[in-house]
Amino acid sequence: GAGVSQSPSNKVTEKGKDVELRCDPISGHTALYWYRQSLGQGLEFLIYFQGNSAPDKSGLPSDRFSAERTGGSVSTLTIQRTQQEDSAVYLCASSLYQGLVETQYFGPGTRLLVL
Amino acid sequence: GESVGLHLPTLSVQEGDNSIINCAYSNSASDYFIWYKQESGKGPQFIIDIRSNMDKRQGQRVTVLLNKTVKHLSLQIAATQPGDSAVYFCAERPPSGGYNKLIFGAGTRLAVHP
Repeated sequence: GAGVSQSPSNKVTEKGKDVELRCDPISGHTALYWYRQSLGQGLEFLIYFQGNSAPDKSGLPSDRFSAERTGGSVSTLTIQRTQQEDSAVYLCASSLYQGLVETQYFGPGTRLLVL
Repeated sequence: GESVGLHLPTLSVQEGDNSIINCAYSNSASDYFIWYKQESGKGPQFIIDIRSNMDKRQGQRVTVLLNKTVKHLSLQIAATQPGDSAVYFCAERPPSGGYNKLIFGAGTRLAVHP
């Protein structure tokens, strides 16, 4: 079956512009995660959605970052007034929440470059 | 193409040798650990996991060892192949509100030479 997909695969924008990044999780997966990966770094947790529960936004670095998940499926990560330090790979993952152990399946990422 | 983690620690091995990638985790109460492999331009791919009530788990050509005493995790790859070249991340799941919030390490680049 299809894995996690993300679009666009690459995005170049100018400082100060807004960007939207999209994630299509695996069908039926109830949990969805956004991570940021800067060059030479590990994965930094941004936000987590689980079913109809309120999302965990504790990893969002500033109020310029927001995310939505519509209909329990597709998610959009929005970065407003982008800054050069926002340049990174933004990864989305989904999982079938089973409480104890679960595997997060990652998409290929969106490579964002802010000029 | 773009590389992930240009400044990561690198382990260089010869094709056919065994590789050992090490990871120190941070939370002694973490109960679940995962290794991911990330090839250039791709998202991380699950390799193997282990729960804290185990100290060893084997998969196909891979073995994960967990030493809770020193908070150390290792990934052993047998008969390393060129296709194993990638960045490897360990992740831990610390005690939390009940979901799978993983904390990732910085990663190690594995370079396999023919």
